[in-house]
Amino acid sequence: QKEVEQDPGPLSVPEGAIVSLNCTYSNSAFQYFMWYRQYSRKGPELLMYTYSSGNKEDGRFTAQVDKSSKYISLFIRDSQPSDSATYLCAMSPNAGGTSYGKLTFGQGTILTVHP
Amino acid sequence: NAGVTQTPKFRVLKTGQSMTLLCAQDMNHEYMYWYRQDPGMGLRLIHYSVGEGTTAKGEVPDGYNVSRLKKQNFLLGLESAAPSQTSVYFCATREGITYEQYFGPGTRLTVT
Repeated sequence: QKEVEQDPGPLSVPEGAIVSLNCTYSNSAFQYFMWYRQYSRKGPELLMYTYSSGNKEDGRFTAQVDKSSKYISLFIRDSQPSDSATYLCAMSPNAGGTSYGKLTFGQGTILTVHP
Repeated sequence: NAGVTQTPKFRVLKTGQSMTLLCAQDMNHEYMYWYRQDPGMGLRLIHYSVGEGTTAKGEVPDGYNVSRLKKQNFLLGLESAAPSQTSVYFCATREGITYEQYFGPGTRLTVT
């Protein structure tokens, strides 16, 4: 079983829809939770990060972490065609220390927002 | 600032050939990482470095070697390429006091 599970999709939605992307994990040591966005044939870029449990909002994007359920989510409101990309969740026990900031990634979800 | 650059962008190898992928960064970051990305597998860590002159194994190190002789460069070597190493390879860097990793544009490698 993978430490981090993410539904690979693909997910196709109409412009303006609310998108929900999710990951589950098994390692209770994970404390830092991130979402990376990767456009086609590009490197991933950090989109959102959350420490421990709770919500974080940035414009149209909201990240949620439920450590009790080992479940994280990314919501995209009023989705736009420019949001079409692969979204990768990533997790780490801590930012430094003995984990050396290593990230464990989910498989990535391919999202297409059509006009 | 170029950020993180990777050389080459594309490469086709025959089974058994060797090659070296170069990652260069101009951000003075301590930590550097090599990942491979395969369909349905996400990003998997191959090797990483916590500073100049250091290297360590990641999740999938077999068949690869690395070196970090200079702080700004992290090299990934394939001594005898196999078709299973066909992948997209990404280099990433991290400052050390923050969580964010900065990724390069990737190298697409095909081994026939």
